[in-house]
Amino acid sequence: QVHLVESGGGMVQPGRSLRISCAASGFTFNTYGMHWVRQSPGKGLEWVAVISSDGTYSNFADSVKGRFTISRDNSKDTVFLQMNSLRPDDTAVYFCAKPILLEPVFDLWGRGTLVTVSS
Amino acid sequence: DIVMTQSPDSLAVSLGERAAINCKSSQSLLDNSNNKDCLAWYQQKPGQPPRLLIYWASTRESGVPDRFSGSGSGTDFTLTISSLQAEDVAVYYCQHHYNSLPTFGQGTKVEIK
Repeated sequence: QVHLVESGGGMVQPGRSLRISCAASGFTFNTYGMHWVRQSPGKGLEWVAVISSDGTYSNFADSVKGRFTISRDNSKDTVFLQMNSLRPDDTAVYFCAKPILLEPVFDLWGRGTLVTVSS
Repeated sequence: DIVMTQSPDSLAVSLGERAAINCKSSQSLLDNSNNKDCLAWYQQKPGQPPRLLIYWASTRESGVPDRFSGSGSGTDFTLTISSLQAEDVAVYYCQHHYNSLPTFGQGTKVEIK
């Protein structure tokens, strides 16, 4: 069975940092780029970040550029999102997503982890 | 960034009737390298992650019922549910995959009339 399981979410104060993780299973993790997509409560979907299969390339949405970094450990089939200088508008469920192709079409999603930024 | 705009924001359709959701992009999504339009559709039910339905504007994902179909080209696209079933109640999103900065539409909520 193919799975993505996010973890590490929680409540954090504005300006602080948090790292969330996504553990993959059931597919050859090191051949796929991996993405993060977020969804604010009751709102739509926003793509956040991507990392290439070998970890040498990454890209970010303008809303998080300079504050978030993405990394991966292919020996543990895990991708990470390091979130710094968090703001209340970063509050969202963060999903990791596997692309179906080299293009960002997402055929596998985790159930998400909730990050709440509040004082 | 490419802006994706869906219409309507919500619609109510009787069981067995046709539902159509529109999606408009701020620029053409045609990939000239393969002559395909870079547009995907997702279904999201409450408390669940999105589910991929359609990509390349009209290619149905494996396991998706054939009552779901995608059409359109360039900047204007449509997701059609040919005969609405109770389990189709959800929010539907379009998303472009034209470049490395994908963006989603705001979503369309489909309900039973």
